[in-house]
Amino acid sequence: QKEVEQNSGPLSVPEGAIASLNCTYSDRGSQSFFWYRQYSGKSPELIMFIYSNGDKEDGRFTAQLNKASQYVSLLIRDSQPSDSATYLCAVNMDMDSNYQLIWGAGTKLIIKP
Amino acid sequence: ETGVTQTPRHLVMGMTNKKSLKCEQHLGHNAMYWYKQSAKKPLELMFVYSLEERVENNSVPSRFSPECPNSSHLFLHLHTLQPEDSALYLCASSQGSGVYQPQHFGDGTRLSIL
Repeated sequence: QKEVEQNSGPLSVPEGAIASLNCTYSDRGSQSFFWYRQYSGKSPELIMFIYSNGDKEDGRFTAQLNKASQYVSLLIRDSQPSDSATYLCAVNMDMDSNYQLIWGAGTKLIIKP
Repeated sequence: ETGVTQTPRHLVMGMTNKKSLKCEQHLGHNAMYWYKQSAKKPLELMFVYSLEERVENNSVPSRFSPECPNSSHLFLHLHTLQPEDSALYLCASSQGSGVYQPQHFGDGTRLSIL
């Protein structure tokens, strides 16, 4: 069973702190990893993608990938109330010789002013 | 303005009705996708079109019928749906369907089956 697992939350973080979101995946051969943000009633919006082990930074966001341990994380520095949303992790996996994005159910993040 | 436009935004239909969902992308992409999103569940991939050819059909019931007349337009035709089909239906597009191509989503159609 090819799966992407996320803690559903809610994860509550004070404004200005670092929010840490985690995702584990089942397919060791996965090569690409994506983080999306979804506000209530809206569609998923791409935040970051990462392909190589290590860290990738973009503004207040840092994606971290550890292929050996099969996890990917998203750090949000200086959290703002506008960061309150559900964060979806998506991983490309080989599904019967076709690659598909497999999605986690999302982690709900609440930033408290 | 979003690069992927979906209409209608909301749809309420009876189980015996026939309706269609429309998606149009303005990003110059050549792959398009239909997803179903139910509350507290992961996105479920329904169909993938690459260069207007269907390349994936994830065991979706035949009451859902996709159509891709060109690389910018995608339709989902609906008939004799069931209450469990009530969900948010999302269209996405990407530049190619390879593993490194991020997908960009429309705002979705909220479908309610009476």
